[in-house]
Amino acid sequence: EVQLLESGGDLVQTGASLRLSCAASGFTFSSYAMSWVRQTPGKGLDWVSAISGSGGSTYYADSVRGRFTISRDNSKNTLYLQMNSLRAEDTAVYYCAKGRGGWRDHLDYWGQGTLVTVSS
Amino acid sequence: DIQLTQSPSSVSASVGDRVTITCRASQSLSNWLAWYQQKPGKAPKLLIYTASSLQSGVPSRFSGSGSGTDFTLTISSLQSEDFATYYCQQANSFPYTFGQGTKLEIK
Repeated sequence: EVQLLESGGDLVQTGASLRLSCAASGFTFSSYAMSWVRQTPGKGLDWVSAISGSGGSTYYADSVRGRFTISRDNSKNTLYLQMNSLRAEDTAVYYCAKGRGGWRDHLDYWGQGTLVTVSS
Repeated sequence: DIQLTQSPSSVSASVGDRVTITCRASQSLSNWLAWYQQKPGKAPKLLIYTASSLQSGVPSRFSGSGSGTDFTLTISSLQSEDFATYYCQQANSFPYTFGQGTKLEIK
């Protein structure tokens, strides 16, 4: 059974840093691209970043490029999102999600989410 | 970035009704369009991928169609557990984008 478990969400102040983790199990982690997707409470879904199975390719939304860094440790089956210079508009539930197969593909499994609150 | 526009934004329907939600893209996606269902407090769940392929375990009353810029999600006979918010998502190019969502409510 595929499981994705996010952690690391917290209440922080504007300008702070935070690292989210997503522990994966139930599939060959290194074979699949992974994404982070966020959702402001009561609002829609907003894709944040993706990383290939090897970790060699990454993409970011314009809103986070230069502030957030996605990475993965395939030996630990864990995905990360390093978030720096946090802003109030980064407040959201952050989900990690598994790609179906190819480097570009839809997201077939999602974690339960971790809440990041950025307060001034 | 590719923009996705869903319609309607909300719809009221009854158990047993047939419901159709549309998603229009600002440029061609080929068939790189998915549909997700989200219930309050839960993560999104993949229903349909590559426009018309049914994700494993999803009931056959859900179907998807379309290609290029116009896509539809159809629920053939609504069940009580189908009342939720539905999102389309494109994976044709980065950045991935989602539609704004369609809230399906009980009439």
